[in-house]
Amino acid sequence: EAQVTQNPRYLITVTGKKLTVTCSQNMNHEYMSWYRQDPGLGLRQIYYSMNVEVTDKGDVPEGYKVSRKEKRNFPLILESPSPNQTSLYFCASSRAGSGNTIYFGEGSWLTVV
Amino acid sequence: KNEVEQSPQNLTAQEGEFITINCSYSVGISALHWLQQHPGGGIVSLFMLSSGKKKHGRLIATINIQEKHSSLHITASHPRDSAVYICAVSSGTASKLTFGTGTRLQVTL
Repeated sequence: EAQVTQNPRYLITVTGKKLTVTCSQNMNHEYMSWYRQDPGLGLRQIYYSMNVEVTDKGDVPEGYKVSRKEKRNFPLILESPSPNQTSLYFCASSRAGSGNTIYFGEGSWLTVV
Repeated sequence: KNEVEQSPQNLTAQEGEFITINCSYSVGISALHWLQQHPGGGIVSLFMLSSGKKKHGRLIATINIQEKHSSLHITASHPRDSAVYICAVSSGTASKLTFGTGTRLQVTL
């Protein structure tokens, strides 16, 4: 079954404690992205990757890091989380090219206190 | 002004009604996506359009590239259609997406 898997799904953490949200896809997709969703602001892109070792900033990259060492995995790293990073996070993947379906993970609810 | 505008923001309909959700964008695009988000958060891709019209079951999506406008229609709406519908555009590559803020649809019996 085609899947994008995120972990953890729910997390409450404290300010400054480094955390990683993992994302894995089993469809051999080239493109992967991270988004955050906030009330009234909708979905905003944090970082994206067009292939292994190729990453670029989206619209709201501050406070986040990513890496793409393997095609299937695209972890999102919060080096020093702050309360304004409390949000619902989505990972997504698709095949290369502009005309392909996007597959989303189930979302990760992150609360920073 | 947002690059992607959706209307209406909220919509309540009775079961069986024909529903239209609109999306306007201000940038050149390579594709437009319609997404559905149910309560609980999961997002599912409904359509990807670069021109014309697509139909899947009771859902129809159209796009007018010249007018920079797309519509999502739901025929014979049902309570299970209750969700947030999100328009997103990709310009350049599929990796770079810009989203509308969504239309919250509630279909009542």
